Amino acid sequence: DAKTTQPNSMESNEEEPVHLPCNHSTISGTDYIHWYRQLPSQGPEYVIHGLTSNVNNRMASLAIAEDRKSSTLILHRATLRDAAVYYCTRSANFNKFYFGSGTKLNVKP
Amino acid sequence: NAGVTQTPKFQVLKTGQSMTLQCAQDMNHEYMSWYRQDPGMGLRLIHYSVGAGITDQGEVPNGYNVSRSTTEDFPLRLLSAAPSQTSVYFCASSYNPGSTGELFFGEGSRLTVL
Repeated sequence: DAKTTQPNSMESNEEEPVHLPCNHSTISGTDYIHWYRQLPSQGPEYVIHGLTSNVNNRMASLAIAEDRKSSTLILHRATLRDAAVYYCTRSANFNKFYFGSGTKLNVKP
Repeated sequence: NAGVTQTPKFQVLKTGQSMTLQCAQDMNHEYMSWYRQDPGMGLRLIHYSVGAGITDQGEVPNGYNVSRSTTEDFPLRLLSAAPSQTSVYFCASSYNPGSTGELFFGEGSRLTVL
């Protein structure tokens, strides 16, 4: 989705926090923001989603800007198993998911 | 539970041939969808369905047909394959994407059109 932009790659050290940014400047008021991650040769896996408020779950936190034009996925302590491609998506009318091009996260031991 | 099962995992076609990618889920999900994934472009929605007998187009529907006769199955048909349809295809399902936000993906089907 050209309207959802992410950095191509990021690098982190193991056990340090990681902040993965996403810009979705044309998001509409009812579009949810979702994050998925994908390991090599596997299908994407759900991470977290939200609408306006910041969200936390056992995998990560999602920080949504007040104007909703950007969001940040936060991995509190990166592990080697977190190395993957992370996709920011928006869902229109709850049924159409538009994926960004993804950020490849490399975690260094 | 098997989750979302896609077959075949790999397929090579010649231009103009037809084929069907199969997708089945055993989670009683009403919502099912098909994506294609090309290098550097993320995933793009092809078609989706919110229940048996109901389908709609996504971002890139041209060249693909779908139907939904049962809750469990959502096949994707290529009537006349073209090299531009070389891609990895993913099927995904959800109980209610609007409330849970969670899509369950299959492992993908890699299609090469020569």
